[in-house]
Amino acid sequence: AQKITQTQPGMFVQEKEAVTLDCTYDTSDPSYGLFWYKQPSSGEMIFLIYQGSYDQQNATEGRYSLNFQKARKSANLVISASQLGDSAMYFCAMREFNDYKLSFGAGTTVTVRA
Amino acid sequence: GAVVSQHPSWVICKSGTSVKIECRSLDFQATTMFWYRQFPKQSLMLMATSNEGSKATYEQGVEKDKFLINHASLTLSTLTVTSAHPEDSSFYICSAQWINIQYFGAGTRLSVL
Repeated sequence: AQKITQTQPGMFVQEKEAVTLDCTYDTSDPSYGLFWYKQPSSGEMIFLIYQGSYDQQNATEGRYSLNFQKARKSANLVISASQLGDSAMYFCAMREFNDYKLSFGAGTTVTVRA
Repeated sequence: GAVVSQHPSWVICKSGTSVKIECRSLDFQATTMFWYRQFPKQSLMLMATSNEGSKATYEQGVEKDKFLINHASLTLSTLTVTSAHPEDSSFYICSAQWINIQYFGAGTRLSVL
């Protein structure tokens, strides 16, 4: 069964605007972690942000914030003040703490327009 | 943050030859490293989990004899694609776990002619 769902294959955003990338997950484990990674065309996977299932506050890292809605099982990534360098593929991932593996979503390609 | 180095970044080889890819954790020790394969515009597919000092754990459908993994030290894991064929051409990327987060190398693009 699909553990991570990213329903947006591609998105366009205007420079300096905010963009929200959707991610929903499925788990019965009460302890889990949610991650977002950025993959530019060069291929490297860059860790952006982490949210633990017991964290009370939404995670933030600079221009990245994670909108964590536990009851809805969603972990959307918000990128504020988009820059041209934000153009990349973004992956949502989850790790259940009784498992060492990361489950990845299909990814969302973001293209920032000048 | 934690830095993972992967080498080479690009390799072209002839069919039937073997290729070794290295994955190093530069500023931390990693008892567990992971090897993924990625096809164009697709997500990452876990191939195997590399454990320092023990045998790797391979995912279902991954040929152990074709994709040899060695994790001889706490900072180095290697993936050897043996007797490579054109269908092995792909993007291979490794990661190492440090304090709950997997940090990735830059990946290796393998082209088998």
